[in-house]
Amino acid sequence: DAGVTQSPTHLIKTRGQQVTLRCSPKSGHDTVSWYQQALGQGPQFIFQYYEEEERQRGNFPDRFSGHQFPNYSSELNVNALLLGDSALYLCASSLEPSYNEQFFGPGTRLTVL
Amino acid sequence: AQTVTQSQPEMSVQEAETVTLSCTYDTSESDYYLFWYKQPPSRQMILVIRQEAYKQQNATENRFSVNFQKAAKSFSLKISDSQLGDAAMYFCAYRSATDSNYQLIWGAGTKLIIKP
Repeated sequence: DAGVTQSPTHLIKTRGQQVTLRCSPKSGHDTVSWYQQALGQGPQFIFQYYEEEERQRGNFPDRFSGHQFPNYSSELNVNALLLGDSALYLCASSLEPSYNEQFFGPGTRLTVL
Repeated sequence: AQTVTQSQPEMSVQEAETVTLSCTYDTSESDYYLFWYKQPPSRQMILVIRQEAYKQQNATENRFSVNFQKAAKSFSLKISDSQLGDAAMYFCAYRSATDSNYQLIWGAGTKLIIKP
């Protein structure tokens, strides 16, 4: 049973560019949440997707957007990259939005130069 | 807004000894969930233990147990018989039990070093 998978593992971009990160949830899970983890800090909630809709959003600008597909996989898009967007981006899946346990993927390390 | 504070940036313990990691939180809610996650160098967050605020009994999972003090808003993690594989970053997290509020709010983490 595959757990949560994310791609790519690492990514290097320059300021102003756009990036797309991908996440496949654990088998049977229909809810995907995205978190940003800056170096040396705890994760920050970006948003959560359920039934192909954004259900909840954290304190992130509109440059951060997402999508969920019918197969429950999800994408995180970041436009007009800033140096401060450099971080580990974590995807987590759960059985449903209210379910207590979230399973995390290994993350995508984004470096913005 | 809820906040989670981990005041110990780093802790070290001798292998086979016991260590306690501290976490305090601030909330005006009465019903919520608390979690401890482990993040090894592989970066993947792993759930260690969770506690429902309405339960008075402290959660335990094998060598891991918590001391949940609701009135003091304290949620510490005790690791008994520490093993080399326990070395990792440990994060305390909070989640509201309010409908439609499912985000996890995280502390800054504690780096746990195990000395052989």
